[in-house]
Amino acid sequence: GAVVSQHPSWVICKSGTSVKIECRSLDFQATTMFWYRQFPKQSLMLMATSNEGSKATYEQGVEKDKFLINHASLTLSTLTVTSAHPEDSSFYICSARDPRQGSNQPQHFGDGTRLSIL
Amino acid sequence: GQQLNQSPQSMFIQEGEDVSMNCTSSSIFNTWLWYKQDPGEGPVLLIALYKAGELTSNGRLTAQFGITRKDSFLNISASIPSDVGIYFCAGPRLAGNMLTFGGGTRLMVKP
Repeated sequence: GAVVSQHPSWVICKSGTSVKIECRSLDFQATTMFWYRQFPKQSLMLMATSNEGSKATYEQGVEKDKFLINHASLTLSTLTVTSAHPEDSSFYICSARDPRQGSNQPQHFGDGTRLSIL
Repeated sequence: GQQLNQSPQSMFIQEGEDVSMNCTSSSIFNTWLWYKQDPGEGPVLLIALYKAGELTSNGRLTAQFGITRKDSFLNISASIPSDVGIYFCAGPRLAGNMLTFGGGTRLMVKP
């Protein structure tokens, strides 16, 4: 079945550091991937839609200069949290839909990246 | 915008008991999805519903797509400890493939 892989699974770094998170579709090509953020004991909130070969579409309230998204190939999207601060600490999850499964098929999620900013 | 209200927020049950949780919306959804999230992991799809009135099972799990298209429920029969986790309902927005998630139901099972 469709598999989405995320790396790294856990990051701890100092405030002010920029952190890059990778999301890969392992056995299918994804022209669109999605990035979510999940705070403790809360639901998943969509941050942005990553579009291969074009600019990402950000949800209202999400700073595009803070959360840089690059979707340079059909199997890889990256999210870079620039100059991260403690309030950026969260669980970041990506997802993608396998286009071979039809337009109405659900998204497959990566295992998430736990980001902790000290 | 489209919002999903999920209840209950949490449940603490005894192993072997049946569980029921539901999701409602003031807007119509054409697809209802139920995911389970284990601690520190991403959500995993349990059941997908595509037609109003549809009743679908996956092992001990059963989910139904409400006739009005504004609600769905998920039942788990004979719960076991590994059922512990957070269960989310989700549905695609009217425009685009983005998903809206319910607030989640945290299930705890006592052996």
